[in-house]
This record gives sequence, structure tokens and C-alpha cells, in this order.
Amino acid sequence: KAGVTQTPRYLIKTRGQQVTLSCSPISGHRSVSWYQQTPGQGLQFLFEYFSETQRNKGNFPGRFSGRQFSNSRSEMNVSTLELGDSALYLCASSWKGSDEQFFGPGTRLTVL
Amino acid sequence: AQSVTQLGSHVSVSEGALVLLRCNYSSSVPPYLFWYVQYPNQGLQLLLKYTTGATLVKGINGFEAEFKKSETSFHLTKPSAHMSDAAEYFCAVSKMNSGGYQKVTFGTGTKLQVIP
Repeated sequence: KAGVTQTPRYLIKTRGQQVTLSCSPISGHRSVSWYQQTPGQGLQFLFEYFSETQRNKGNFPGRFSGRQFSNSRSEMNVSTLELGDSALYLCASSWKGSDEQFFGPGTRLTVL
Repeated sequence: AQSVTQLGSHVSVSEGALVLLRCNYSSSVPPYLFWYVQYPNQGLQLLLKYTTGATLVKGINGFEAEFKKSETSFHLTKPSAHMSDAAEYFCAVSKMNSGGYQKVTFGTGTKLQVIP
């Protein structure tokens, strides 16, 4: 079956703009988690959605938000972009959230 | 307190040598434990996982890990390193959070360098 897909794969934005990233999980998976990965901070958890409800949240400012649709597809939004938001954003899906996570290839966001 | 700790952000081994990547977790109940690998410019891929049962878990690419409850450890090993093993490795633990939901927490990662 198809894996986790993320769009777009690469994105360049300027400071102050906002961005929306999309994630399509593996069919049948109800949990979608988002991570930010940077060389300095490593892999950091943003939030997890399960059946359209945010179930877990990391320590990120309110500029970072997300949502999940009834078909389990998820989007994350970052408003008022800062240079430090440049990162690889990874999406992972799983059946119930506590089990094996299947990762997408990521979206590389560059903020200029 | 950290849920999962990986000792050593960088590990170098010679090709053919033993690979040992360390992971310790903190949990009052047996958690689910995972090892993931990430190759450059890719997402993470599951190497192996421990849920219940046999404490020695075998994964892909010749890797294995042993769950040791008394030591709260889940170290990753491979008898003989190959050049293609050069990547970043993440240990992860799934445990209940304060909200009553299971949450997966990743370690900070260990970059493995294989020297020819």
C-alpha cells in the first residue's frame, strides 16, 4: 500500500509569511504526528492528531498549529515565519499512535 | 525527566566491527520501545520494536536489540558494521502521558560513522 506522502517536498518562504504543509497518512491509519528536525535541536515533537482531535502537543509557540480531516489527512500551519523555523518537517502516521510510526519523506522549509 | 536517553551523539566504528548504540528509558511500566534509522534527506524507518514477549528483538539489516528491564536499557547492536549502516539512529519509547494517552518520544539521535 502507499506510504505516507507529504507535500510540498521543498518550500522557500520569507520572514513574516505563513505556510501550510500537508500530510496524507497510510490508508487506515488514524494517528498523524508532526515533527520538526533541525541540526541544532534534533527531532522535536510538534503535535499528534487522532481521529480529528489533537491528542498530544509539544512545546512550540502558538504560531504552530495543525488539524486533521475526517479522511485522516493532516495539515500543519506556521504563521509569521521566523528564520529559526527553517527545518525538515516530518509527518508520521500510525494505526493507534502508540505503535510503529511510518514516516513521510518530509518537507524542507527554508525561511529567508 | 527525559523519557529516553541516547548516549553519544556520534559513534564511529570500523567496517566489520561491532556496532553498539546505547539507549536508556525511564518508565514505571514496561513501555513499547523502538529503534529507527534515518538516511540523509529521508524520513525515519523502523529498524525493530519491542512490545511484549521475547526480550531479544531482531530487526532489519542484521540489527538487534535487547530489552533489559533491570537496567532500563534497549541498546542496539550489529555484529559487523557495513558502510551502508552509516546513518542517524533514533531510539523511541511509547508511554502514557499525563492526559491518559500513549505518546511516542524520540531520543536525540546517534550518528553512526563507519570507517573503511
